[in-house]
Amino acid sequence: QSVLTQPPSVSAAPGQKVTISCSGSSSSIGRNYVSWYQQFPGTAPKVLIYDNNNRPSGIPDRFSGSKSGTSATLGITGLQTGDEADYYCGTWDSSLSGGQVFGGGTKLTVL
Amino acid sequence: QITLKESGPTLVKPTQTLTLTCTFSGFSLSTTGVGVGWIRQPPGKALEWLALTYWDEDKRYSPSLKNRLTITKDTSKNQVVLTMTNMDPVDTGTYYCARGRRGYNYYFDYWGQGTPVTVSS
Repeated sequence: QSVLTQPPSVSAAPGQKVTISCSGSSSSIGRNYVSWYQQFPGTAPKVLIYDNNNRPSGIPDRFSGSKSGTSATLGITGLQTGDEADYYCGTWDSSLSGGQVFGGGTKLTVL
Repeated sequence: QITLKESGPTLVKPTQTLTLTCTFSGFSLSTTGVGVGWIRQPPGKALEWLALTYWDEDKRYSPSLKNRLTITKDTSKNQVVLTMTNMDPVDTGTYYCARGRRGYNYYFDYWGQGTPVTVSS
């Protein structure tokens, strides 16, 4: 069971917008910054968002991130069939146990 | 160009120790704010962070696996080694190494292709 909670799946039509939520705690998202990763089947994850809302170079501005309290959200606009993938949120947990934590992942289907 | 590549056995027996090596290029583990971490993914399941070694002597481990993990670095060889003791079939999965980069928090900006590990007798 993952420390961060994501919906197992979301879906939307091409051209539409979708959001993926990531719920944590006061010691994880509440105190730290969130990153988001995209993973296609059989390949390594790729970072889309870091420090809540920053995009690495080369990531289109269709991808955005936000954080409020103990939750974070990834937004994808202008959906394309090529966006169909698994998406993971990640952050640090500042509790005594500590460490990097990931969400359980969300499968995005572009209908 | 930054690259990372994992290497190690694809099959280990239960109770054995797994040793994985991450060989990287295009950056130095001596650079302030840089780290190299290990993340694994069981088949069809989510990512799980294992360990992270930093440019200084700091190291961090997954609390649930801390007693079984050791991460070491050889800066001169651009390598990071992860050992995991007492392997079990539930440890089967793909093991990734990734560069950790410090923003406000660390995140993983470059990943290796992953190496599959099966634990079976």
